[in-house]
Amino acid sequence: DTEVTQTPKHLVMGMTNKKSLKCEQHMGHRAMYWYKQKAKKPPELMFVYSYEKLSINESVPSRFSPECPNSSLLNLHLHALQPEDSALYLCASSQDSFSSYNSPLHFGNGTRLTVT
Amino acid sequence: QKEVEQDPGPLSVPEGAIVSLNCTYSNSAFQYFMWYRQYSRKGPELLMYTYSSGNKEDGRFTAQVDKSSKYISLFIRDSQPSDSATYLCAMSDGAGTALIFGKGTTLSVSS
Repeated sequence: DTEVTQTPKHLVMGMTNKKSLKCEQHMGHRAMYWYKQKAKKPPELMFVYSYEKLSINESVPSRFSPECPNSSLLNLHLHALQPEDSALYLCASSQDSFSSYNSPLHFGNGTRLTVT
Repeated sequence: QKEVEQDPGPLSVPEGAIVSLNCTYSNSAFQYFMWYRQYSRKGPELLMYTYSSGNKEDGRFTAQVDKSSKYISLFIRDSQPSDSATYLCAMSDGAGTALIFGKGTTLSVSS
C-alpha cells in the first residue's frame, strides 16, 4: 500500500457529468501533484501545489480544476470531459517544496477514469 | 533529440538473471535521478533515488549514474517473477523544473 491514497480507484463518467478525484497524504509533504498517464506512456504533469498554493499549471484545459483544501488533501474537479481524457490520474507528493527538487515524488495508485 | 531516452523493450529474462536497464539524457544540468517501478494498474513506486554521479545499492537493486556520459543504469540481481513490471527513469535539475520521465522499459521475468 502506498502512503498517498487516492479515491475512487475507478470512475466512469459521461461527458456532461461533474465529478471529483481525491488525494490524501499524511507524510507531512509540502508539495502535491496531479499527473495524467495514458497506457504505455510515462506520467504527464498537470498541476503542482507547493505549500497549498498552485505553482504550476501545465496548460491544462479548464475542464480540469485542481483544489488544495489543506496541506494533506488535493482534489481534481472534472467537468465536461471528453473521451480522450480517459486515463489513469495519479496524485503524488514530495517532502520539499516544488522549487527545490531535493526529494523524490511518492505516487498514489491512481484513479482509472473512463469518459463515455 | 529527446531529453531522456529509454528503450521501451519489452525485455524478457529467465528467473535469476541479472537485468540492466538504462537511460540516456541530454541535459547536463540534471543532477537528481530516480528509478520507479510500476506494476500494471498501479502507480509508480520509488525504487532508487540518487544525487549526482556514483552508485547506490539497495538489496538486489543497484543504481549507477555516469554524468560524464549522461547515462544512468539500474541493475537487478537474481531477478524474480515479481520484478515483472515497467521501470521508469526520471530526473531533474533541482531548480524547480518538472521531473522528466523516460518512456519506461517493460520487463518480464519468467520462472
